[in-house]
Amino acid sequence: SQKIEQNSEALNIQEGKTATLTCNYTNYSPAYLQWYRQDPGRGPVFLLLIRENEKEKRKERLKVTFDTTLKQSLFHITASQPADSATYLCALWASGYSTLTFGKGTMLLVSP
Amino acid sequence: DTAVSQTPKYLVTQMGNDKSIKCEQNLGHDTMYWYKQDSKKFLKIMFSYNNKELIINETVPNRFSPKSPDKAHLNLHINSLELGDSAVYFCASSQARGTDTQYFGPGTRLTVL
Repeated sequence: SQKIEQNSEALNIQEGKTATLTCNYTNYSPAYLQWYRQDPGRGPVFLLLIRENEKEKRKERLKVTFDTTLKQSLFHITASQPADSATYLCALWASGYSTLTFGKGTMLLVSP
Repeated sequence: DTAVSQTPKYLVTQMGNDKSIKCEQNLGHDTMYWYKQDSKKFLKIMFSYNNKELIINETVPNRFSPKSPDKAHLNLHINSLELGDSAVYFCASSQARGTDTQYFGPGTRLTVL
């Protein structure tokens, strides 16, 4: 069966460090993968999209990698700040499917 | 200006009641969605409409009925509410299906007592 797995435990890091979040998938052939940020009591907000033929995408302090061999995407936040604390969701659009499928998300806590 | 808005933000009701949640987007998008986020924070697609036409209807009880009066609105009507319907419901929109970014509303927290 198809699965999207993100770190189930919250990730605690210190301000200034790089946060790395993982998204693994099985039994999908995603055409692309998106990352969203969700704050408590709010809807998800789009951050980055990476396509199957792209290895890496950057936007300011954010970087996403996509390895279709490992079936994994990594999401990095460099020089993390307490304001980066939120839940981060990965979502993939797979060939043959008509919906964007979300992982359960990883909560990131950045302490000062 | 709010891009995707939902009303109400909170909805508390008794089992067996019928309720509606409204969604409007002012982005000029063609596609709108309803998602359900349960207590475990899992975000699951329920319905998708493209140009007022239903294109996705995931395995959802037929007590849930979406209605799209026009491209900018997608409402969700729920009949005979059950305890298990308690969740946060998100409306979203995108320019087109597939590769497009989805823009989410603020969510409606439904509590069924």
